[in-house]
Amino acid sequence: QVQLVQSGAEVKKPGASVKVSCKASGYTFTNHYMHWVRQAPGQGPEWMGIINPSGGSTSYAQKFQGRVTLTRDTSTSTVYMELSSLKSEDTAVYFCARDPISLTALVGAYYFDYWGQGTLVTVSS
Amino acid sequence: DIQMTQSPSTLSASVGDRVTITCRASQDISSSLAWYQQKPGKAPKLLIYKVSNLQNGVPSRFSGSGSGTEFTLTIRSLQPDDFAIYYCQQYNRYPYNFGQGTKLEIK
Repeated sequence: QVQLVQSGAEVKKPGASVKVSCKASGYTFTNHYMHWVRQAPGQGPEWMGIINPSGGSTSYAQKFQGRVTLTRDTSTSTVYMELSSLKSEDTAVYFCARDPISLTALVGAYYFDYWGQGTLVTVSS
Repeated sequence: DIQMTQSPSTLSASVGDRVTITCRASQDISSSLAWYQQKPGKAPKLLIYKVSNLQNGVPSRFSGSGSGTEFTLTIRSLQPDDFAIYYCQQYNRYPYNFGQGTKLEIK
């Protein structure tokens, strides 16, 4: 069965960086795009970016351009999300989420069929 | 950017009821609309994609309809497990955004 298992909660100071991991299992890692979505307290989810686990290409929401970096390690079927220059407004639960469309489609569907359990990132001085 | 607006924000209903949640897009999104269910402390769960296609394993009491800018999620014969927050999401174009959510609570 498809599983996405994320790293644990983080507490960071303003200006610091955080790196969250998401380990995939139960399917061929390089066959599906992976997205990152965050959810601030009491808010709806917000799309952050997408990575092609095969070639490593990425695309980011304009709001996070320059602060977010998505990477992957195909040897461990893991994707990473690093967010820098953290502000209090970045306090949120961060999710990895799989795109249901195979990479053979060349472009993702941009909806999400499997999600990680979420990682709470708290930014506080 | 496309705006997604859900109504109502909160819906009180009883087990066995039939309920409908509406999602409106500020621009035509064709049929690129998904619905998710989220319970406290959990990740969203995909219920429906492409307006009316039920994700594998989702009970048939869930259904979706609509096109263009107006969409609905209907749950017939509510079960205790259905009380949660429901989000619509447009994936027609960037920023692939979600509605603000509808909390379905027990009356």
